[in-house]
Amino acid sequence: EAQVTQNPRYLITVTGKKLTVTCSQNMNHEYMSWYRQDPGLGLRQIYYSMNVEVTDKGDVPEGYKVSRKEKRNFPLILESPSPNQTSLYFCASSLGQGTDEKLFFGSGTQLSVL
Amino acid sequence: SQQGEEDPQALSIQEGENATMNCSYKTSINNLQWYRQNSGRGLVHLILIRSNEREKHSGRLRVTLDTSKKSSSLLITASRAADTASYFCATPSGGRRALTFGSGTRLQVQP
Repeated sequence: EAQVTQNPRYLITVTGKKLTVTCSQNMNHEYMSWYRQDPGLGLRQIYYSMNVEVTDKGDVPEGYKVSRKEKRNFPLILESPSPNQTSLYFCASSLGQGTDEKLFFGSGTQLSVL
Repeated sequence: SQQGEEDPQALSIQEGENATMNCSYKTSINNLQWYRQNSGRGLVHLILIRSNEREKHSGRLRVTLDTSKKSSSLLITASRAADTASYFCATPSGGRRALTFGSGTRLQVQP
């Protein structure tokens, strides 16, 4: 089944403890992206990747890192999480890089930073 | 920066009724997409309409686009309880490979 898989689904951590949220897609998509969703603010893009080893900042990249060493994986790394990073995170991918490509989303990761 | 803004923020209707949601955006676009999100889950693509199209249909969905007014509408006909979800419009972000999403319309369909 074609899908974007995120793990974990729920994560509770403490301030400063490094964490990684994994994202994997099995559709051979070129483009991958991370969004965070907060009440009243909608979805905001954190980072995106056009292809392997090509990443770029979105609207809210501060406090996050990403890497794209393989086409299928695009992990989101929080080196030193803070409470303002408590949010619902989504990974998304699309086949091509055009702005008319439809995005496929993972099921989300609810992160709480205490 | 938020490009699309949906209206209304929330909508409650009875099963069988039609639901209409509107999206306004700020800058010129070459396409606009609509997505659905069930509570706390990932978004699912519904439909894409290009700037040279005024109307598009997909099953019970009808989308219109008025580029002169910078607005789009999503109509769901003969709604079902399973249509209960949040609906978002998304537009290309100028100069960056991204979609910018509005804050969404929460639709509640009462059985």
